[in-house]
Amino acid sequence: AQSVTQLGSHVSVSEGALVLLRCNYSSSVPPYLFWYVQYPNQGLQLLLKYTTGATLVKGINGFEAEFKKSETSFHLTKPSAHMSDAAEYFCAVSEPSNNAGNMLTFGGGTRLMVKP
Amino acid sequence: GAVVSQHPSRVICKSGTSVKIECRSLDFQATTMFWYRQFPKQSLMLMATSNEGSKATYEQGVEKDKFLINHASLTLSTLTVTSAHPEDSSFYICSARVRGWGDTQYFGPGTRLTVL
Repeated sequence: AQSVTQLGSHVSVSEGALVLLRCNYSSSVPPYLFWYVQYPNQGLQLLLKYTTGATLVKGINGFEAEFKKSETSFHLTKPSAHMSDAAEYFCAVSEPSNNAGNMLTFGGGTRLMVKP
Repeated sequence: GAVVSQHPSRVICKSGTSVKIECRSLDFQATTMFWYRQFPKQSLMLMATSNEGSKATYEQGVEKDKFLINHASLTLSTLTVTSAHPEDSSFYICSARVRGWGDTQYFGPGTRLTVL
């Protein structure tokens, strides 16, 4: 069974500061990994994903994440926070398969607050 | 590309009535659609997975007679909350997936259901 842990349900940073949102997973096989962002009363928007290949993945809005197999982590970073980055962020994993219907397992979410 | 819409975005109904929520993939054909429920300040909970043309697979604890899912075409899935009660009030989010797109799920904007 897969599980996802996001350390810190709330993270507060100053505008211009580094953003680091932590995600650790457990999986019996190397998983696919995703980060989604959710703005209030909206659905989820895909920020980035890792499937295979390069372990440093760049996404939209200046975010990137690095898959570290030895640490079972997929932390999300951004060098300089903007006010518009304030939102809820979800890390998710799925088990690679050629079958349709693979489930996503979500972490509990991290609310990012950006102070002016 | 990969846009998913939901309708309605917000619905208020009386207890005992049924509510239908539509999920459409606008620019791709979704072999699989997922329905999630999200309580305030919580992560997403998968309710069911539906593959086009077959019956939905419900997660443990989700009443299939309460939450009717129909996936009649490759671009449309519907969730009907039957005989809604106040405890069914929640944010319902659908997602759509295409086989071969690396397990990525594309999410709709969500539907806020309030049952009075």
